[in-house]
Amino acid sequence: SQELEQSPQSLIVQEGKNLTINCTSSKTLYGLYWYKQKYGEGLIFLMMLQKGGEEKSHEKITAKLDEKKQQSSLHITASQPSHAGIYLCGADIGGSNYKLTFGKGTLLTVNP
Amino acid sequence: EAGVAQSPRYKIIEKRQSVAFWCNPISGHATLYWYQQILGQGPKLLIQFQNNGVVDDSQLPKDRFSAERLKGVDSTLKIQPAKLEDSAVYLCASSLDAAGGEQYFGPGTRLTVT
Repeated sequence: SQELEQSPQSLIVQEGKNLTINCTSSKTLYGLYWYKQKYGEGLIFLMMLQKGGEEKSHEKITAKLDEKKQQSSLHITASQPSHAGIYLCGADIGGSNYKLTFGKGTLLTVNP
Repeated sequence: EAGVAQSPRYKIIEKRQSVAFWCNPISGHATLYWYQQILGQGPKLLIQFQNNGVVDDSQLPKDRFSAERLKGVDSTLKIQPAKLEDSAVYLCASSLDAAGGEQYFGPGTRLTVT
């Protein structure tokens, strides 16, 4: 089974709508990273969360870490076409603080 | 600041042939990672270097894959012989050190094995 489950697998929203992507771990989270990837390109770092209850925001993107639930959520407010892409969560689930395990990603489409 | 550089960007080979990928990390980054990303999946760590030493290669198929990081800077990943299931994007990433923190990714090399 997948150690990091992302939901939904894909999402289509109308420009201006809010959306949430979830990442759930089957193991204890020691650090959670969100990345964005566009087709044919590398991963772009969005945010890193390390403490339970931690919440970070950058522009219209907010990420939260619920350590007890071993879950993180990524929320986009007032989505724009520029937000389209694949969102990947990566986590240190071994406590080594360096080896990342990634989810399969969530494909986001924003229709103008 | 220059990012992580990778070459080639695309490569098409036949099965049983060999192929090599090159990565130049961000200057000053001690840790270098190679990931394999199969279509529809997240990246999977193949090997991690700390300077020129291997920290983790537990998921590297050592019968056909090899990697080196001479002088603790550039790195090459080689596949010999390639199989159809090796078709994927190979991503290189680097970070300041192995104590966690942001990993910076290169654009990747898309390998197609026919």
